[in-house]
Amino acid sequence: DIQMTQSPSSLSASVGDRVTITCQASQDISNYLNWYQHKPGEAPKLLIYEASNLQTGVPSRFSGSGSGTDFTFTISSLQPEDIATYYCQQYADLPPFTFGQGTKLEIK
Amino acid sequence: QAQLVESGGGVVQPGRSLRLSCVASGFRFSSHGFHWVRQAPGKGLAWVAVISYDGSTKYYADSVKGRFTISRDNSKDTVYLQLNSLRVEDTAVYYCARDWSIVVNPSGGLDYWGQGTRVTVSS
Repeated sequence: DIQMTQSPSSLSASVGDRVTITCQASQDISNYLNWYQHKPGEAPKLLIYEASNLQTGVPSRFSGSGSGTDFTFTISSLQPEDIATYYCQQYADLPPFTFGQGTKLEIK
Repeated sequence: QAQLVESGGGVVQPGRSLRLSCVASGFRFSSHGFHWVRQAPGKGLAWVAVISYDGSTKYYADSVKGRFTISRDNSKDTVYLQLNSLRVEDTAVYYCARDWSIVVNPSGGLDYWGQGTRVTVSS
């Protein structure tokens, strides 16, 4: 099975800051990687698909990059409504479709 | 707008069973595969199972293989997850999610999710 290592596990930043989360796959997954946002009590939301494509309706301050084993998720200017836990997820091969451990983002 | 609504969660004793349901609306149900993903208390998201658009292909996480069964009823726009031989470690919020692939085997891209149903396994 492919393992996903996400870091950091938690992050505190100020409004307007640039925030970066990384995700590393245990083997080459090409660009078969998604990023999700999950707020407590809500449905998780797809933000980025295929490593770098912005899902329809998602603000442009969110972006993703990378391929192979190393990936990055960035919020260019943190907003109060971005407080959530963020997950990467690989879908490179047959299941299981593994998630990273999550990054809990808080406002400083 | 695609919508998924889960139900069927509750409190159950170890070893007992439960059936979760996920009703879909706002899109052609029979064209998509569906996943179940769970989140244990204080933990992250964990993929559980997937079923193809026509029900012919199913996969499970090793942790639930042989105990959980995913199924679907295209006439009711509903996906099910039968949970048997429940363990304390199965305690979690269970989410249903749509696979974005259309009329092909699921690719693993989850584009719409429900808000989840809580399962508590406790004696």
